[in-house]
Amino acid sequence: DVKVTQSSRYLVKRTGEKVFLECVQDMDHENMFWYRQDPGLGLRLIYFSYDVKMKEKGDIPEGYSVSREKKERFSLILESASTNQTSMYLCATAKTGARGHGYTFGSGTRLTVV
Amino acid sequence: KNQVEQSPQSLIILEGKNCTLQCNYTVSPFSNLRWYKQDTGRGPVSLTIMTFSENTKSNGRYTATLDADTKQSSLHITASQLSDSASYICVVSPNYGGATNKLIFGTGTLLAVQP
Repeated sequence: DVKVTQSSRYLVKRTGEKVFLECVQDMDHENMFWYRQDPGLGLRLIYFSYDVKMKEKGDIPEGYSVSREKKERFSLILESASTNQTSMYLCATAKTGARGHGYTFGSGTRLTVV
Repeated sequence: KNQVEQSPQSLIILEGKNCTLQCNYTVSPFSNLRWYKQDTGRGPVSLTIMTFSENTKSNGRYTATLDADTKQSSLHITASQLSDSASYICVVSPNYGGATNKLIFGTGTLLAVQP
């Protein structure tokens, strides 16, 4: 089974802090994604990466950046955390050309910014 | 605009009863439609996936149907159990061509199964 591991289940950070959310996958999936999930809004795509060192903006990239130095790891960075970034963050992976097949999510990180 | 809408927003049923969740979408063309189950505080887990040419797909007590003409899908849960309490999310994969795996998510139906 593909495993997508997010480093923290719960995080509490202060406004203005730099926050790193880590995602590691143990299959050879080229594509990795970061979403945030808020009540009533569903999952919204922040950034995705289809290869090492490649990144593409999703629907809501403002206030976030990403890093993909290795194929198995995709990091989401909040340069200066704000309270409106309190949310559930989900990482996902998929194989190129799979068109949704094999799309696998991590368990999520619940981030609270105070 | 490509959209996926689910109904009802929430549902309460008694243990052992059946229920049906609805998903309407405007995504076109699309490659496949997927139903996910998401337990509280966890990531979504795939239940079924159907291509545009498939009408039905089962996974144990879960059966998904797809009508590509009316752009509707449903998820039927048979003989519900307390562990079925979760959010159920309908997800459509557009057929944009190329290798991009962008998905379009519904906002989910929150199901509560009571004893």
